[in-house]
Amino acid sequence: DAKTTQPNSMESNEEEPVHLPCNHSTISGTDYIHWYRQLPSQGPEYVIHGLTSNVNNRMASLAIAEDRKSSTLILHRATLRDAAVYYCILTWGATNKLIFGTGTLLAVQP
Amino acid sequence: GAGVSQSPSNKVTEKGKDVELRCDPISGHTALYWYRQSLGQGLEFLIYFQGNSAPDKSGLPSDRFSAERTGGSVSTLTIQRTQQEDSAVYLCASSPGDRGNSPLHFGNGTRLTVT
Repeated sequence: DAKTTQPNSMESNEEEPVHLPCNHSTISGTDYIHWYRQLPSQGPEYVIHGLTSNVNNRMASLAIAEDRKSSTLILHRATLRDAAVYYCILTWGATNKLIFGTGTLLAVQP
Repeated sequence: GAGVSQSPSNKVTEKGKDVELRCDPISGHTALYWYRQSLGQGLEFLIYFQGNSAPDKSGLPSDRFSAERTGGSVSTLTIQRTQQEDSAVYLCASSPGDRGNSPLHFGNGTRLTVT
């Protein structure tokens, strides 16, 4: 079973920031938090991952709660190309085997 | 550089036939995964290879499904006696390691249609 909870869908306006939440209350100490996104008719694309500290890369930022029971993916300036399903996933055991949930469908309005 | 390559991109087969789906991972990646995604559904884990270790086959839905990885590189997923419920997009991913901090790189999948 997926160990994360995400809203089914969210909407954003173009050029505005987007905060995608994820709850993972049963996270263990060795679980990494990964985010992937899937655009229509494509395979999933890696976005970002973290363990305890907040992370930034060219695509997004990941804010991790101090107790690690939740995290937020931040897209700083949404574009139409960011419309996708976003998956928040905890790594399984000590490996990077990913068990996908249903994700959040992000719609971006012009 | 080259990403994960899957072939064919589309495959239509008749019920009862066998099919083989191919995955070429990124060079040097030791871990390889197969997933499938039925229409409008999430991704379902099938099988995982890491180096020379025994594969994790815990996600294979039936004994009609099998996979091999030759020489630690190319992988083939075989479905015998295909059924209509096997229709899905089959996705392959590779990663440079199998620890929790190694991201997966996915191909664009093979769309299998069983008629």
